[in-house]
Amino acid sequence: DAGVIQSPRHEVTEMGQEVTLRCKPISGHNSLFWYRQTMMRGLELLIYFNNNVPIDDSGMPEDRFSAKMPNASFSTLKIQPSEPRDSAVYFCASSLSQGGSPLHFGNGTRLTVT
Amino acid sequence: AQSVTQLGSHVSVSEGALVLLRCNYSSSVPPYLFWYVQYPNQGLQLLLKYTSAATLVKGINGFEAEFKKSETSFHLTKPSAHMSDAAEYFCAVSASSGGKLIFGQGTELSVKP
Repeated sequence: DAGVIQSPRHEVTEMGQEVTLRCKPISGHNSLFWYRQTMMRGLELLIYFNNNVPIDDSGMPEDRFSAKMPNASFSTLKIQPSEPRDSAVYFCASSLSQGGSPLHFGNGTRLTVT
Repeated sequence: AQSVTQLGSHVSVSEGALVLLRCNYSSSVPPYLFWYVQYPNQGLQLLLKYTSAATLVKGINGFEAEFKKSETSFHLTKPSAHMSDAAEYFCAVSASSGGKLIFGQGTELSVKP
């Protein structure tokens, strides 16, 4: 079991640039979640997918953020244009879509926007 | 709607002492409850979960938690702290349908030698 794989681990970019974060969920899991972690706001759910379909994107901060899941083994979170306040650690997690199934987290992408 | 409150953003204990991390939840449906641990520069790892079976749940690394419906609590305990327990701990709640987790703000545990 390779776990949830996120890339890159670190991303440093300048304000205004496009940023794409990538996630490969655990094989067989049919729910995928994107979280953002900051000191000020803690862990925030941005969006989650069930069977590749976005179910709840109410946590996406604004239109600059978009997420896709073109197939069961890949998802992206894109920020365009990026701003310094987007600096955070972004986590992807996957699970089975059953009540009570735990989330399995990747190691995160640390994004710094200068 | 669900929510979680963790009392105390930072807890410090001596090695060998009891660890108690507090979590209270709010849920309009029977909840699923979880504790996760996060070490520096890593993702969150599942410690234990409550899914309406036994109210006392045992997890990894000697941790356990007790679900108390009357108190809407799910406190995490460990009888004897070890230096390696120093980390951030998160309590989370999920509705009975779907897998979305709502996390508390986290409690940083420090262990003094």
